[in-house]
Amino acid sequence: KQEVTQIPAALSVPEGENLVLNCSFTDSAIYNLQWFRQDPGKGLTSLLLIQSSQREQTSGRLNASLDKSSGRSTLYIAASQPGDSATYLCAGPYSSASKIIFGSGTRLSIRP
Amino acid sequence: GAGVSQSPSNKVTEKGKDVELRCDPISGHTALYWYRQSLGQGLEFLIYFQGNSAPDKSGLPSDRFSAERTGGSVSTLTIQRTQQEDSAVYLCASSPGQTDEKLFFGSGTQLSVL
Repeated sequence: KQEVTQIPAALSVPEGENLVLNCSFTDSAIYNLQWFRQDPGKGLTSLLLIQSSQREQTSGRLNASLDKSSGRSTLYIAASQPGDSATYLCAGPYSSASKIIFGSGTRLSIRP
Repeated sequence: GAGVSQSPSNKVTEKGKDVELRCDPISGHTALYWYRQSLGQGLEFLIYFQGNSAPDKSGLPSDRFSAERTGGSVSTLTIQRTQQEDSAVYLCASSPGQTDEKLFFGSGTQLSVL
C-alpha cells in the first residue's frame, strides 16, 4: 500500500531564506511525482512534475528532485517571499494506471 | 474547455438528501480523479477513471457514494442519503494520459450537510 509522508507539517521562516520541503514514499515502483501548492480556500495548483525518467525539475525559484533509491523527493524554494506562503503537497509516485496518493502537506509561512 | 470545471461551487443540503456533483475535465484528458478534503485535512482519494472505466473504487467511503463517467468526458459523483460527516470540499482532477501525467485540478465543490 502506497504511503506518502511530508515533513515538516508546518514551517515558518523569515523572508529571503532558502528552504527544503520533504516528501517520502513507500512504494518502490516509482513513476511520476508531482508537487502542488494550495492557498487557503482554493484548489490545487501544479508546481512541478518529475517524470519517471527524470531526477529533477526546475521552475524559477523552485527545484524538485526525486531519489528513487531512497524513496524521497525534495522541493527547494530559493529566496523565499511572503507570496510563497501556502500549503505544499506532493503526490505519487504514480502512473496513469493507478490512483494518486497525496501527502498531508507542509503548511509554509514566510514572515516579511 | 480551458480548465477543469466543477459544479456547483457550493452546495448546502439537508441530512438524508441525495446530491450530485459534476466535473467537466479538460477536453481530451483520459484520466479523471475525485478527491475529498475535509476542513484542515489532506486529500482523500475517492475514485479514478481511465476513459469511462473505474479501475479503482477503493476510496469510496461507503455504498452511499457512487460515480460515473460518460463519453470519456463528464463525471458525476453522487452521494445518497447524505450525512453530516460528508461535509467537505470535493475536488476533481484530470490528466492527459500516459504520455503526460500532469494533474490539473478544478476549484472544487464545497458540500455542507445540515
